[in-house]
Amino acid sequence: ETGVTQTPRHLVMGMTNKKSLKCEQHLGHNAMYWYKQSAKKPLELMFVYSLEERVENNSVPSRFSPECPNSSHLFLHLHTLQPEDSALYLCASSQDLRESRGYTFGSGTRLTVV
Amino acid sequence: KQEVTQIPAALSVPEGENLVLNCSFTDSAIYNLQWFRQDPGKGLTSLLLIQSSQREQTSGRLNASLDKSSGRSTLYIAASQPGDSATYLCAVRGDSGGSNYKLTFGKGTLLTVNP
Repeated sequence: ETGVTQTPRHLVMGMTNKKSLKCEQHLGHNAMYWYKQSAKKPLELMFVYSLEERVENNSVPSRFSPECPNSSHLFLHLHTLQPEDSALYLCASSQDLRESRGYTFGSGTRLTVV
Repeated sequence: KQEVTQIPAALSVPEGENLVLNCSFTDSAIYNLQWFRQDPGKGLTSLLLIQSSQREQTSGRLNASLDKSSGRSTLYIAASQPGDSATYLCAVRGDSGGSNYKLTFGKGTLLTVNP
């Protein structure tokens, strides 16, 4: 374990479902990130939170809705997804936005939309 | 816009070989560069982090170098083992503009080490 925990590890959902992905870190980090990893494509940054405030929304469709209730937890709420949203969703954290010690990633949630 | 390219896309070697993975980036204004390992269907494990002021970092059988001015980094793996089989990702963090906390990733090199 890296210190960043994601649940669930796997999720299959229909296009009309509503589900949430959870990320938790107890590293004392103040910045948290959602990344999407699709087949054959580089990781894409989706959202960035710093001290529970969203500082980046990287042109992500509104069917993805992030929530950061405190500096240790980050959620990604999903609704009316499309099959092309199937991907590995990775959460990461860092000490803060401007720090030098690098990023810590979770193991990801493998999402399949049917 | 920063772009990161990793060559080769895939590499297959016999056990025991020394090997080099390459990473190049188009904007040399970087804050740091990080190498990750990703096992199939899993998350990313950080291997080495090189700050922009550094030339190389070492951890065990791994050595990463950085030539910021030419926009290149290499990951050297000595005496490869089957357990090294994974996808290796290079990511750079920008040092210019308002969004300088972003990581830009390459597509990765899929390494297979054959027993």
